[in-house]
Amino acid sequence: GNSVTQMEGPVTLSEEAFLTINCTYTATGYPSLFWYVQYPGEGLQLLLKATKADDKGSNKGFEATYRKETTSFHLEKGSVQVSDSAVYFCALLSGGSYIPTFGRGTSLIVHP
Amino acid sequence: NAGVTQTPKFQVLKTGQSMTLQCAQDMNHNSMYWYRQDPGMGLRLIYYSASEGTTDKGEVPNGYNVSRLNKREFSLRLESAAPSQTSVYFCASSEADRGAYGYTFGSGTRLTVV
Repeated sequence: GNSVTQMEGPVTLSEEAFLTINCTYTATGYPSLFWYVQYPGEGLQLLLKATKADDKGSNKGFEATYRKETTSFHLEKGSVQVSDSAVYFCALLSGGSYIPTFGRGTSLIVHP
Repeated sequence: NAGVTQTPKFQVLKTGQSMTLQCAQDMNHNSMYWYRQDPGMGLRLIYYSASEGTTDKGEVPNGYNVSRLNKREFSLRLESAAPSQTSVYFCASSEADRGAYGYTFGSGTRLTVV
């Protein structure tokens, strides 16, 4: 079956540090890949997505590249801000399914 | 543009009480979903509705029922609440293409069963 594995958190960084949150997946076929962000007290929001190998999704300074050879979709940002503190979820949607598979989430804490 | 609206935002129930969580979306999405979120467990799918008139069980359906009232509304009912159902509940919706453009989530209902 499908699965998504994310690095355990919390990830704690100082403002302006470089961020990487690892995500690897197992899926049948050629899934679409997503990153969602959940700010405190809110629902999940779609952050970025990629639908085929080598695609790069980007939004708000975050980037992730769909690497089929390593089955990975790592989230990166060059310079984090305090306002980026949130929980980040990696997810996949396998062809023909309505139901995405979510990772367990990685908490990011950014200190001034 | 409201997106996905959930009510109530907070609720405390006694064991054995019943309640219905409401969800409505104004994006003309075909598919709607109910998830629960628990610490260390991530998101778990309770029920979903691929289109108006259909509902299907997800990963953790026991103790819940759903109704797809129309294209906009998808409610979740707890017939006899148990402490194990203490959680944050999220409703979500997606377009007809099976969510390839991603989901839109509501802001959640925080439920405590005592």
